[in-house]
Amino acid sequence: GENVEQHPSTLSVQEGDSAVIKCTYSDSASNYFPWYKQELGKRPQLIIDIRSNVGEKKDQRIAVTLNKTAKHFSLHITETQPEDSAVYFCAARAGGTSYGKLTFGQGTILTVHP
Amino acid sequence: DGGITQSPKYLFRKEGQNVTLSCEQNLNHDAMYWYRQDPGQGLRLIYYSQIVNDFQKGDIAEGYSVSREKKESFPLTVTSAQKNPTAFYLCASSQDLREKLFFGSGTQLSVL
Repeated sequence: GENVEQHPSTLSVQEGDSAVIKCTYSDSASNYFPWYKQELGKRPQLIIDIRSNVGEKKDQRIAVTLNKTAKHFSLHITETQPEDSAVYFCAARAGGTSYGKLTFGQGTILTVHP
Repeated sequence: DGGITQSPKYLFRKEGQNVTLSCEQNLNHDAMYWYRQDPGQGLRLIYYSQIVNDFQKGDIAEGYSVSREKKESFPLTVTSAQKNPTAFYLCASSQDLREKLFFGSGTQLSVL
């Protein structure tokens, strides 16, 4: 089945700096890659997603890039703010016989220091 | 943040007991999911359902059971066969298996 590896597990940055979180996946048939943000004690919420026919997607300070050949995708947050502090999860949706299964990475704890 | 309601927020299980976690959605979504969240391990898929009266095992289905008798409801039973049930359980739904997931607020299950 699909395996998603996420790095780093923790990331600490100063306010205004950029943050990058990277994920790799194993199933070349995977075709959908969302990123979720989970604040302490709250539910995960989708912040951005990308499908396999697109190489990059931006939404204000957040961007995601996808390299299908290398089977990795990354989340980029620019001009970080303290309210960006949260746990971020990447995920990959399988194709083929496991169609529909969304496999998550282990999560990255992002801390933005004022 | 409405749309998916999980209850109860906290649940305690005695040894040998089965407990059922409730998940209800009013988004008219076809697909529903159950994930387990443990510290440092991300979210792991327990079961998912594409449509009423159909469901598939996820990656860690052993010790759990589900039913999907109504489109809006997808209860999860944690059976006594699940030896390490303490975790945060998240229910989610999506329009179909291709679309983005919306999560409920979760149930924290602990063992007495």
